[in-house]
Amino acid sequence: GNSVTQMEGPVTLSEEAFLTINCTYTATGYPSLFWYVQYPGEGLQLLLKATKADDKGSNKGFEATYRKETTSFHLEKGSVQVSDSAVYFCALSEGSSGSARQLTFGSGTQLTVLP
Amino acid sequence: DAGITQSPRHKVTETGTPVTLRCHQTENHRYMYWYRQDPGHGLRLIHYSYGVKDTDKGEVSDGYSVSRSKTEDFLLTLESATSSQTSVYFCAISDLGPRGQGGVEQFFGPGTRLTVL
Repeated sequence: GNSVTQMEGPVTLSEEAFLTINCTYTATGYPSLFWYVQYPGEGLQLLLKATKADDKGSNKGFEATYRKETTSFHLEKGSVQVSDSAVYFCALSEGSSGSARQLTFGSGTQLTVLP
Repeated sequence: DAGITQSPRHKVTETGTPVTLRCHQTENHRYMYWYRQDPGHGLRLIHYSYGVKDTDKGEVSDGYSVSRSKTEDFLLTLESATSSQTSVYFCAISDLGPRGQGGVEQFFGPGTRLTVL
């Protein structure tokens, strides 16, 4: 079956530090890959996505590249801010055309950015 | 933000009582999902729906049932709540992609925190 393995947290960084959160996956086919972010007390929001190999998703200064050869989708940001403090989830989805695409999530990584 | 509401937002109940959680969407999306979020597990799929009256089981469906009688509403029922069902429950929706493929992105509701004593 499908699975997603995320870097263990929590991660604590100083403002303006470089961020990497590792994510690797196991899938039987050609999944789409996602990073979701959850701010305290809220639901999940889509941060970025990539639907095929070598695609780079980007949003709000965050980036992740779909690497099929290493089955990875690591999240990076060059300079984090206090407002980036949240829980980050890596996820994948597979499904045939027209069918519901189930999301498989990693366990989440808590990020705290200190001023 | 996608128009997804969940009710109630918080609920405390006792073991053995029935509980129904409601998800309501105003986006007319085809697919709806129920997840539970627990520490160390991320989100796990309970049930999903691919149309009115069309539902299927997810990874952790035991002890839960669902119904979808209208496009906009997806109900999750715990027939007899247990303490192991204490969790935060999220509803999500998705629609067909531009090339008719299954919904690629899912949009999440604000969650329901359920405590079973």
